[in-house]
Amino acid sequence: EAGVTQSPRYAVLQEGQAVSFWCDPISGHDTLYWYQQPRDQGPQLLVYFRDEAVIDNSQLPSDRFSAVRPKGTNSTLKIQSAKQGDTATYLCASSFDWGNQDTQYFGPGTRLLVL
Amino acid sequence: QQQVRQSSQSLTVWEGETAILNCSYENSAFDYFPWYQQFPGEGPALLIAIRSVSDKKEDGRFTIFFNKREKNLSLHIKDSQPGDSATYFCAARISGSFNKLTFGAGTRLAVCP
Repeated sequence: EAGVTQSPRYAVLQEGQAVSFWCDPISGHDTLYWYQQPRDQGPQLLVYFRDEAVIDNSQLPSDRFSAVRPKGTNSTLKIQSAKQGDTATYLCASSFDWGNQDTQYFGPGTRLLVL
Repeated sequence: QQQVRQSSQSLTVWEGETAILNCSYENSAFDYFPWYQQFPGEGPALLIAIRSVSDKKEDGRFTIFFNKREKNLSLHIKDSQPGDSATYFCAARISGSFNKLTFGAGTRLAVCP
């Protein structure tokens, strides 16, 4: 079974440019998470979805970041007008939240460098 | 406020030794504690997890010891191998929180041959 896939794997931008990250979760997983992982830090949750609904986006810098999961499967995270402080790895994870089958499976991430 | 704290940023052990990675937490409502392992260039992967009703969880060379009263836990890696060299994250979750995990900053383990 395929794991969580993400693209692109790397992105380099100038400040002010926009970028989109794409995530394909494990088939059948109803919950999808986006994390930001700065260098040498742990993942920090940005937003997560149950099916197509946003459950919690309180940590998403809403003025420049947006995330959608329109059909409850794939998801896109977009950064408008990137800043140097956005430099980090962006991780997508998915899980099937039923009983104790709630392990989050992570993709390989997209490494973003904003110059 | 850092709700999940890992006491060491890095740890070095010799091959064959037991590596001990420590974690503490602030929120008494946390009741599920997974440890994730991350290799460079990869996403984190679940290694082992414990629920707060238990004080010990063992899986092969990996053991979690959990102290609810002191709000801390530790991951023991017995007979460490060079292939165990990775960053280890302690995480915590509150039941009923839609599986929302809070991660620590990680401990980078180096196992020297």
